[in-house]
Order: sequence, then structure tokens, then C-alpha cells
Amino acid sequence: GAVVSQHPSWVICKSGTSVKIECRSLDFQATTMFWYRQFPKQSLMLMATSNEGSKATYEQGVEKDKFLINHASLTLSTLTVTSAHPEDSSFYICSARDDRGTSGRRSYNEQFFGPGTRLTVL
Amino acid sequence: GEDVEQSLFLSVREGDSSVINCTYTDSSSTYLYWYKQEPGAGLQLLTYIFSNMDMKQDQRLTVLLNKKDKHLSLRIADTQTGDSAIYFCQSSRGKLIFGQGTELSVKP
Repeated sequence: GAVVSQHPSWVICKSGTSVKIECRSLDFQATTMFWYRQFPKQSLMLMATSNEGSKATYEQGVEKDKFLINHASLTLSTLTVTSAHPEDSSFYICSARDDRGTSGRRSYNEQFFGPGTRLTVL
Repeated sequence: GEDVEQSLFLSVREGDSSVINCTYTDSSSTYLYWYKQEPGAGLQLLTYIFSNMDMKQDQRLTVLLNKKDKHLSLRIADTQTGDSAIYFCQSSRGKLIFGQGTELSVKP
């Protein structure tokens, strides 16, 4: 199957600093990438959807100025948590999908998930 | 709004079958998915079913879909300790909605 990586896998930062998380599709081109947030023992909450070369679409209640998303290429999307605070501590997971018809993966709209990034804000 | 619900916990003995249930509200979902999440890891797609199917079998996994009742289930035959994880169902029609996750505990 397709592989999606995230970097870093975990990060600890001080309150007020910014943290950038990278999501890369390693062996396919991702026309769409998704960013999720997961609290302990809870489900994944979709934060935003990004398409390569265009602005991300944020879910209701997600601050676009706080969670900056850039999908600069077909293999890389970044999530920057600006001025992080302890309440931003969470597990952030990205997923990637190739929506183009020729890839074969579009047949069932499969997303491929990254391994997640654990963010702890002190 | 759209919603997906699952029971939170399931405990079974090794070798038994596990059945994880999910209900959803969006009747226009094209595909429905089951994912497995091990501690501290991302999600792994286990299987999916197209909305015009009633059943799909893939080795130890059987997915049943009742569109009338908007009910989806995942049956794991001969459950092993390595199956212990959290299982999420997901509906999709553009928007991707996850259930809360069912924590499966397999006792030896």
C-alpha cells in the first residue's frame, strides 16, 4: 500500500512558540491531504482539507490563523501550530488521497494515514 | 448533522469471534470503512464496503451493511491478541466522519 510519513513523530515545545508538522506521501501523489486531531481515547476530528496549490478548507470551529496549512506540492503538506498553548497538546494525524482517476486508488476513495505526531505544549 | 456512532468497548477471549457495530446517519455515503488504530499510531485501513453491497468478506474479516437500518458491522473471526486495538468506522460522501472508536480487548 501507499506510505505516508509525518515528521516529527513527537515534539515538546514551550507555550507561545510555533511548531511545524510535515506530512509526506512517499510513493504517490496526493491531490488531497487531510489533517486530523485526536484527543486521548477519542475519535479523530477533521481539522481541515487541503488541495495542492490552493487554500485549505477548515472545519467549523478550527481557527485558520492558528493552524496554518500549506499544501505546496503533490507530496507535501505542512501544519503549523502558531503560538501554541497547552490546550493545543494533542495527537495530530494527516492522511493523503489521490483523487485522480488513473491511479486506481480512486475506486474507493482510500485515504492513507500518517503515523501521527504527538504535540505536547508546556 | 451527520453522525457515526459506535459502542466504546468490547472484550473477547482469544479464538472467539468479535463483532463491532456502527450506526450512521448519512444514507448517501458511498463507501463505508473500517480502520484499526494501535496505541500511539496512525490508522490502518482494514476493509471497506461499497454502499450497494450487503456483505464483504476478506479472510478473517466480514463486513455486513444494512442500509435500511444504517447499520454497519465488522466481524473478526478467530480473534487474536494482536487484534487488540481501537477500531473506527467511517462514512464518507465528501465529508469524512469517524465514529468514536471501539476499544477491542482480547484476553488470552
